[in-house]
Amino acid sequence: DAKTTQPNSMESNEEEPVHLPCNHSTISGTDYIHWYRQLPSQGPEYVIHGLTSNVNNRMASLAIAEDRKSSTLILHRATLRDAAVYYCILRESGGSNYKLTFGKGTLLTVNP
Amino acid sequence: NAGVMQNPRHLVRRRGQEARLRCSPMKGHSHVYWYRQLPEEGLKFMVYLQKENIIDESGMPKERFSAEFPKEGPSILRIQQVVRGDSAAYFCASSPPSSGWSNEKLFFGSGTQLSVL
Repeated sequence: DAKTTQPNSMESNEEEPVHLPCNHSTISGTDYIHWYRQLPSQGPEYVIHGLTSNVNNRMASLAIAEDRKSSTLILHRATLRDAAVYYCILRESGGSNYKLTFGKGTLLTVNP
Repeated sequence: NAGVMQNPRHLVRRRGQEARLRCSPMKGHSHVYWYRQLPEEGLKFMVYLQKENIIDESGMPKERFSAEFPKEGPSILRIQQVVRGDSAAYFCASSPPSSGWSNEKLFFGSGTQLSVL
């Protein structure tokens, strides 16, 4: 999978929006942008994914830059249960893209 | 529809013993992946299996580790003659048969925490 860059950690207050950035300047035209999160002592959990257009689901929103070189995961109202490591992952078309390649992710701390 | 089930949740072994970790994928899923997370490190891909076939084991250590996904029953990750460095969280994930990997998502279990004394 192509490389992504995320901040090591971010902090937020409960019930405030959180914007988690991800840079992927080497993204190719057919790469999907996936986000997973890992709560403490749990396996990773799918959050959202997209290709070009912004995406919304019950968990979060994904805003994708027009040039697709960056994206932002948006949690509209953070809760204590959103404290986790968030991973931004590119899935390439073709090849061995069946496996997810996890980086270090962003550790999100949510303050009450 | 139950999620990916892994057992045991915690496994304690002494050096030199064998560890067997089990993973039952979600119903209808025929693809299984194993990942390892060492303390304070990220998740590392180990192996990808389909029913009765190992597709990619590029992340598996060359010795002592093996994986299978039989026609019937759960996928098994087997570690022979465990050493302290094998202590880690082992996660299994599954996905349905797919023709478009880049648009597919993986479903992970809660993991097995292996502790080697």
